[in-house]
Amino acid sequence: QKEVEQNSGPLSVPEGAIASLNCTYSDRGSQSFFWYRQYSGKSPELIMSIYSNGDKEDGRFTAQLNKASQYVSLLIRDSQPSDSATYLCAVNDYQLIWGAGTKLIIKP
Amino acid sequence: EAGVAQSPRYKIIEKRQSVAFWCNPISGHATLYWYQQILGQGPKLLIQFQNNGVVDDSQLPKDRFSAERLKGVDSTLKIQPAKLEDSAVYLCASSSTSTAEQYFGPGTRLTVT
Repeated sequence: QKEVEQNSGPLSVPEGAIASLNCTYSDRGSQSFFWYRQYSGKSPELIMSIYSNGDKEDGRFTAQLNKASQYVSLLIRDSQPSDSATYLCAVNDYQLIWGAGTKLIIKP
Repeated sequence: EAGVAQSPRYKIIEKRQSVAFWCNPISGHATLYWYQQILGQGPKLLIQFQNNGVVDDSQLPKDRFSAERLKGVDSTLKIQPAKLEDSAVYLCASSSTSTAEQYFGPGTRLTVT
């Protein structure tokens, strides 16, 4: 059974701090990895994709991938209250395998 | 570029009734997905189409759920008869053939009473 694990949270972070979200996956052969943001009552929105080991930065977001440790993370710098949402990790293995998401709360 | 369209946005039905959802993917996207999402969980793939062919329907409860994408563009998902446990958000997503990045529509929130 291929699995993607995320801490369900909630993760509470003060405004302006760095939020760190983590995800582990079971299939060593997975090749592409995605972070989606889902606001309450809304559908998932793709915010980052990463395909190779290392860091990928896009604005305030940085995705980090370590295939040897089967670990992918998302860092959000200068966290804003508007970043409060559930963050879903998805791993591509023929089809997307989804984590249950981490609820992030940014405290003003 | 227009996003993924879905209708209706909300639906309330009684158990044993039938319901249908419609999805129109992003123009040019060959792959279309239907997901079921229950509160607090990640999306669960129900069916994946590549053009008008089914790629994966292993998690579709075929005794009550059906889906079609006859012309390889828009798609319909049907539930007949509905059960209480079908209450969920039904999400449609699409992707191009060159990437695994999926883009979601707004979803349909189904309540079965």
